[in-house]
Amino acid sequence: GAVVSQHPSRVICKSGTSVKIECRSLDFQATTMFWYRQFPKQSLMLMATSNEGSKATYEQGVEKDKFLINHASLTLSTLTVTSAHPEDSSFYICSARPRVEREYSYNEQFFGPGTRLTVL
Amino acid sequence: AQSVSQHNHHVILSEAASLELGCNYSYGGTVNLFWYVQYPGQHLQLLLKYFSGDPLVKGIKGFEAEFIKSKFSFNLRKPSVQWSDTAEYFCAVSKTDSWGKLQFGAGTQVVVTP
Repeated sequence: GAVVSQHPSRVICKSGTSVKIECRSLDFQATTMFWYRQFPKQSLMLMATSNEGSKATYEQGVEKDKFLINHASLTLSTLTVTSAHPEDSSFYICSARPRVEREYSYNEQFFGPGTRLTVL
Repeated sequence: AQSVSQHNHHVILSEAASLELGCNYSYGGTVNLFWYVQYPGQHLQLLLKYFSGDPLVKGIKGFEAEFIKSKFSFNLRKPSVQWSDTAEYFCAVSKTDSWGKLQFGAGTQVVVTP
C-alpha cells in the first residue's frame, strides 16, 4: 500500500531556531503534498498545498515566510518552521496524493504519522 | 463560509452497540466526502469515501456512510462496534476542483467500553 513517512517524529527546539520536517512518499510518486497542523483535541487545519516543482500555495492566515515549503522531488516535501516560537508548538501532518491515479482511487491521499514540534 | 460540522465531540458506548456519527457540510458545488479514523498513536487512515453514484458507501471494518444531498450530510454508521473501534473519527470534504484539498470536521472521539 501507499506509505508516507515523516521525519523527525518528535522535535524539541529553542525559541528562535528553525526546524525542518521531511515528508516522503515511500512507494509512490506524489504530484501534490499537503501540510496540516493539528492542535490538541482539535481538527487538522490545512496550511498549504505543495506541488512538485512549483511554489506552495498557502491557506489564508498562514505565513509563507514562516512556514517554508519545498517540494523538491516527486517523493519529498519539506516544511521548515523558521524562527520558531512557543506558539508554533503543534502536531504537523503531511499527506501525499499519488501521481498515477489509476493505481489508486481518484483524489485519494495518504497521511504521514505526524511530527510533534515543541518550542521551548 | 465553507464548513464541516461534526455534532458529537465525544461518544462513549458499549461493545455491540450501534454507532452513528453525524457530519454536515456547507459547500457549494460538487464535493467529495471522506471519513478518516485515527487510532491512538497512529496516523490517519481512510475509512470510506464518496465521489459519486450510490449514496450508501461501504468502507473498511464494517463501517458505512450515507450521503444525503438534500441535507448536506454524510453520516457514518456501524451496526455493532468493537473495543478496537476506539479512536478519533474525522469527516472531511473536498471540492472536486480543489486538487484534493481537504477541510476536516472537528473530530469525534469514540470510546468503546468492553
